Amino acid sequence: DVKVTQSSRYLVKRTGEKVFLECVQDMDHENMFWYRQDPGLGLRLIYFSYDVKMKEKGDIPEGYSVSREKKERFSLILESASTNQTSMYLCASSLYRRDLNIQYFGAGTRLSVL
Amino acid sequence: AQKVTQAQTEISVVEKEDVTLDCVYETRDTTYYLFWYKQPPSGELVFLIRRNSFDEQNEISGRYSWNFQKSTSSFNFTITASQVVDSAVYFCALSEISSNTGKLIFGQGTTLQVKP
Repeated sequence: DVKVTQSSRYLVKRTGEKVFLECVQDMDHENMFWYRQDPGLGLRLIYFSYDVKMKEKGDIPEGYSVSREKKERFSLILESASTNQTSMYLCASSLYRRDLNIQYFGAGTRLSVL
Repeated sequence: AQKVTQAQTEISVVEKEDVTLDCVYETRDTTYYLFWYKQPPSGELVFLIRRNSFDEQNEISGRYSWNFQKSTSSFNFTITASQVVDSAVYFCALSEISSNTGKLIFGQGTTLQVKP
C-alpha cells in the first residue's frame, strides 16, 4: 500500500512565525503535491514537484515556498505565517507516467495561525 | 478553462436510501481523466475511481456505481443502499493529459451524511 505521511495532524502557530509542513512518501513516486482545503473551495494546488529539486507553482503559491531535497520528502514552508493561512493542508504523491497518475494523499495537517 | 462543479454542497439521507452525487466538468482537452475521492472524518482522501475520457462504460463496484456521459460532461456517483460508514466528503476531480503534470482540478466537494 502507498503510504503518504504528514508530520503533524494539528499545528498552532503565531502570526509571523516560519512554519514547516513535512510530507514523506514510501512508494518512490516522482510527483508530489501540496494542496490546501477550505470549506466551499475544495482543494487548491499550492505547489508541486516532479523531481528532486524541481518545483512548479500551482494555483495559489503566494506566501508559500517548497523544498524537495530527496525524492521521498516534500516540504511546504510558510515564510511568515498569517491568519489567512489557517487551513487544512494535504500532501499527495503520484507516479510521473500520465496513465498511472492516481494521486495518493496523506491524512492532512490542520494549521491554525493565531 | 478547466473546471469541476459539484453543485450539491450537502446531502442528508437515511440509511439504505440510494443517493447520487453530481459532478459536471469543463475542459478543452479531448483526452482527460476523471476521479472520485472520498474524505472520511479522519481527513485522508481515499481514491475511489479513475475514468479515462475514451471509456464511457459505466462502472459498478459493490454498492458504488459511476455514470460517465461525455455528451453532458458529467461523471455522477451513486451509492446504493447507503450506510452510515458512507458519511464523508466526496470530491470529483479532473486531470488533463495536455498538462503533463498530473495536476488535479477538484470540485468543491459534497458532504454526505447518512443517518441511521
